Amino acid sequence: DQQVKQNSPSLSVQEGRISILNCDYTNSMFDYFLWYKKYPAEGPTFLISISSIKDKNEDGRFTVFLNKSAKHLSLHIVPSQPGDSAVYFCAAPLVGSNYKLTFGKGTLLTVNP
Amino acid sequence: DTAVSQTPKYLVTQMGNDKSIKCEQNLGHDTMYWYKQDSKKFLKIMFSYNNKELIINETVPNRFSPKSPDKAHLNLHINSLELGDSAVYFCASSQGVLYEQYFGPGTRLTVT
Repeated sequence: DQQVKQNSPSLSVQEGRISILNCDYTNSMFDYFLWYKKYPAEGPTFLISISSIKDKNEDGRFTVFLNKSAKHLSLHIVPSQPGDSAVYFCAAPLVGSNYKLTFGKGTLLTVNP
Repeated sequence: DTAVSQTPKYLVTQMGNDKSIKCEQNLGHDTMYWYKQDSKKFLKIMFSYNNKELIINETVPNRFSPKSPDKAHLNLHINSLELGDSAVYFCASSQGVLYEQYFGPGTRLTVT
């Protein structure tokens, strides 16, 4: 039962353009969301998060948008850089389960020079 | 200065063997985790320890046994390895049960 879904396995964009990575969730108990970035042969690294009391959180080139009614969040990267090429995971902790993180399957972003 | 380190990085072994993966964090965190990333690339929590106490124990075979000798270390011992155990195992840590977890580089286990 996938409670966090990333339906696009891959995305390719040109350097300098916007990258939009999407994530859907099914559990309405989720109230906090995180994005992790993973390079090959490395562990995931925390990128940005958003609480359900907000609909937007921005950190430099990275912005996460949350649409609670649609149970959808997206990560925008502007402008995209070749170094952003990585797998991006969406994750959410489940309250009442010792905040167990549930991860999506990830989206491979390739930024072409 | 590696924040979360795992050894070994690669582990190739035969079915039926017993192996251990070690994890250490120097961040001063009190919560540590083991995740498994399988061939379908899903990252799934296996275990979590808070101050050396087991707080998350997902449905994993009894052949998997975590051990936390202190807050900075969480080891994973696997008995009677099976082909299906082949995966990348990630250790992670956090302060309390804060959501931002710091991951190690992973251990790629291949069972032949």
